[in-house]
Amino acid sequence: DTGVSQDPRHKITKRGQNVTFRCDPISEHNRLYWYRQTLGQGPEFLTYFQNEAQLEKSRLLSDRFSAERPKGSFSTLEIQRTEQGDSAMYLCASSPMGRGAYNEQFFGPGTRLTVL
Amino acid sequence: DQQVKQNSPSLSVQEGRISILNCDYTNSMFDYFLWYKKYPAEGPTFLISISSIKDKNEDGRFTVFLNKSAKHLSLHIVPSQPGDSAVYFCAARGGNQFYFGTGTSLTVIP
Repeated sequence: DTGVSQDPRHKITKRGQNVTFRCDPISEHNRLYWYRQTLGQGPEFLTYFQNEAQLEKSRLLSDRFSAERPKGSFSTLEIQRTEQGDSAMYLCASSPMGRGAYNEQFFGPGTRLTVL
Repeated sequence: DQQVKQNSPSLSVQEGRISILNCDYTNSMFDYFLWYKKYPAEGPTFLISISSIKDKNEDGRFTVFLNKSAKHLSLHIVPSQPGDSAVYFCAARGGNQFYFGTGTSLTVIP
């Protein structure tokens, strides 16, 4: 299966700790997105990469959050000094370049973060 | 500020009947709209999309209608099947960002 994978699937941490999540997109996809989803809500956009360039960040993204995509392949999302309000499902999605197919995002299964 | 809204948190439909899921948006600059389906413990799965220059797109049992003047789109599923039971999200593209609604949980009763 060559879908989007995310690691870990679950993470429990204590408040104040740093956490890092990884996303491996579909290999030929050069667009990559991170979203956060809380209970009863839809996915909320966090940031967007085209290849290795981070082209857009949500204004809601605090400076405790940082994302990288160093070689235009996998991406990492780091949260520093976690707070209980960071507890959520973190979703990664990828899509290919090109008209039409551009808009279809393929989502990974998500990483569920619980901050105690 | 919720730019994409799904006002019905849940919907129950008998198998074989039509399911109609609704979505409203506020930003007239959105140029592409999508519907996703989500099962528990999985990420959303793309279902169907429509460009803002069209008013209808059909794919098998699924049809999406767009009314730009009303800033409203709907997803029709005909006939509904028990396997369609899931949470459905509508989403809209604005620039490089995608804005999602809060979802509608569809239950198709056998």
